[in-house]
Amino acid sequence: DAGVIQSPRHEVTEMGQEVTLRCKPISGHDYLFWYRQTMMRGLELLIYFNNNVPIDDSGMPEDRFSAKMPNASFSTLKIQPSEPRDSAVYFCASSFGGETQYFGPGTRLLVL
Amino acid sequence: QKEVEQNSGPLSVPEGAIASLNCTYSDRVSQSFFWYRQYSGKSPELIMSIYSNGDKEDGRFTAQLNKASQYVSLLIRDSQPSDSATYLCAVITANTGNQFYFGTGTSLTVIP
Repeated sequence: DAGVIQSPRHEVTEMGQEVTLRCKPISGHDYLFWYRQTMMRGLELLIYFNNNVPIDDSGMPEDRFSAKMPNASFSTLKIQPSEPRDSAVYFCASSFGGETQYFGPGTRLLVL
Repeated sequence: QKEVEQNSGPLSVPEGAIASLNCTYSDRVSQSFFWYRQYSGKSPELIMSIYSNGDKEDGRFTAQLNKASQYVSLLIRDSQPSDSATYLCAVITANTGNQFYFGTGTSLTVIP
């Protein structure tokens, strides 16, 4: 299996622009997680899905963030409008049964 | 109080020594516990999972769980420079649905 796939790997954008991060989970996994990691705050869970349904989005910082999972093999995390404080590494992870999580390589986002 | 707490370190040990990493959690109904390793600029990867009180060994790694005291630890025997990384403790708690928590990580440096 190719593992969790994320794109893009790097994104540089200007404040106010829309940013879309993409994730393909491991085939057969029924949980998908979106995390944000910064030096100051560590690894923060933003939202997770079970069988394509959002279960807990309490970690989503504000209305500028939204996430979708239209099918079992694809999810997006969108930031609109982006702000410099959104600069971080965003990880997608998937698991089977909600146990061990397998992380993608991450997307490094820089908002200028 | 954070759900999962770790000493951020940095922790430095000489090559060949035992490195001891500790993690405490706040929710007594927590049921699944994980240690992840994250190299600088990379994504977290699973080292060990543990579910029952006691010790679990895998090669040079031993995870220890004490639910009564609400702590989980990771011992690394015969530490190698390649073990230098940040170690993240993760906990799954099942109350009204699964809740997933990561600690902020402990930075370990193994000195040759």
